[in-house]
Amino acid sequence: AQKITQTQPGMFVQEKEAVTLDCTYDTSDQSYGLFWYKQPSSGEMIFLIYQGSYDEQNATEGRYSLNFQKARKSANLVISASQLGDSAMYFCAMRDSNYQLIWGAGTKLIIKP
Amino acid sequence: SQTIHQWPATLVQPVGSPLSLECTVEGTSNPNLYWYRQAAGRGLQLLFYSVGIGQISSEVPQNLSASRPQDRQFILSSKKLLLSDSGFYLCAWSVYRQDYGYTFGSGTRLTVV
Repeated sequence: AQKITQTQPGMFVQEKEAVTLDCTYDTSDQSYGLFWYKQPSSGEMIFLIYQGSYDEQNATEGRYSLNFQKARKSANLVISASQLGDSAMYFCAMRDSNYQLIWGAGTKLIIKP
Repeated sequence: SQTIHQWPATLVQPVGSPLSLECTVEGTSNPNLYWYRQAAGRGLQLLFYSVGIGQISSEVPQNLSASRPQDRQFILSSKKLLLSDSGFYLCAWSVYRQDYGYTFGSGTRLTVV
């Protein structure tokens, strides 16, 4: 069965440090997409970064990068130089062959000043 | 550019009352539209999705229904709310069979009392 696993329910990180949020996925599809979203306390789901299964280079968007290791089926989110505003829930999701998103349980990230 | 609007932002309704949540998308045609529900501190559960006017797929049998009366309008309804319908409801859109979009509205926090 297709599944997304986020093994870190919560993380504390010192401001300005880099942080890696883990995401592993399970699929037998050849074509899929991987997404990361940020959900602050307001509840809005904010798109951060996307990686296609055929993309050979890791995706980057400003301070966000996606460490895509296809053989290990992992798609970890890396946030460089963390800021207080990065405190939020972070969700990893996978687009399956039916173009539906399968969601992980999320990681609550707290940035300490 | 594409935008998605969802309202109301918050709603407190008594058990047994009806529900109508509306979502509209601007700047795109024939989007895929989605309704998700999120329980407190949990991940997202897909409730309904639609690939076109009048085409609704239900993922979870429940007390809710969805309709798509216009191309860019998606409505979530209930005839009689239950306590278990409380949660955070999110609408989203994407481009049909493409990894583009998957953008969310700002959400509706529903409390059934």
